[in-house]
Amino acid sequence: NAGVTQTPKFRILKIGQSMTLQCTQDMNHNYMYWYRQDPGMGLKLIYYSVGAGITDKGEVPNGYNVSRSTTEDFPLRLELAAPSQTSVYFCASSYSDYDLYNEQFFGPGTRLTVL
Amino acid sequence: GDSVTQMEGPVTLSEEAFLTINCTYTATGYPSLFWYVQYPGEGLQLLLKATKADDKGSNKGFEATYRKETTSFHLEKGSVQVSDSAVYFCALTSRSYDKVIFGPGTSLSVIP
Repeated sequence: NAGVTQTPKFRILKIGQSMTLQCTQDMNHNYMYWYRQDPGMGLKLIYYSVGAGITDKGEVPNGYNVSRSTTEDFPLRLELAAPSQTSVYFCASSYSDYDLYNEQFFGPGTRLTVL
Repeated sequence: GDSVTQMEGPVTLSEEAFLTINCTYTATGYPSLFWYVQYPGEGLQLLLKATKADDKGSNKGFEATYRKETTSFHLEKGSVQVSDSAVYFCALTSRSYDKVIFGPGTSLSVIP
């Protein structure tokens, strides 16, 4: 299993540009998440999905969009990039139901700089 | 709402020193508790977990005990190594189990 993969690893955007961060997992997990981590800070949840076709906002959804058309993929779309979106973005997945704990598996991250 | 509080870092220790990183939580119900570790330039990975009161999670020499009476899950290691230098995050499952709530992280540097 490759686990959770993210592309690209690094990206520099100009203000106002758009891009999609890709995330794929091959563990058949039902839950997927997008977090951002600013330098020296903890994780902030952007969006999450509990299954294909279902998405929900996290703490900091403004400026982002997601979709979940398959179990495996959970892309994050940035529209009109702003310097405040400079961060490291992590995708995670987990299998969870009421009888199990929610152990999350993380991708290696995408380092995004908006200039 | 549910939340996690961790001791502030950075923490700097000499090799072979004893490590404690404090973690306390606020939650309704009976959350599962976790410690995640993030090595430089990498994503987070699960270090250990405990799913009910009095459970002890352990891995790679690290231990933490789920204390419901004090709502705590402190991380300990008897003898740290340089390779343990990382950021450590305490976390818990939300009541609905669909999210994990992370603490702010504690940076640990171990010097030879």
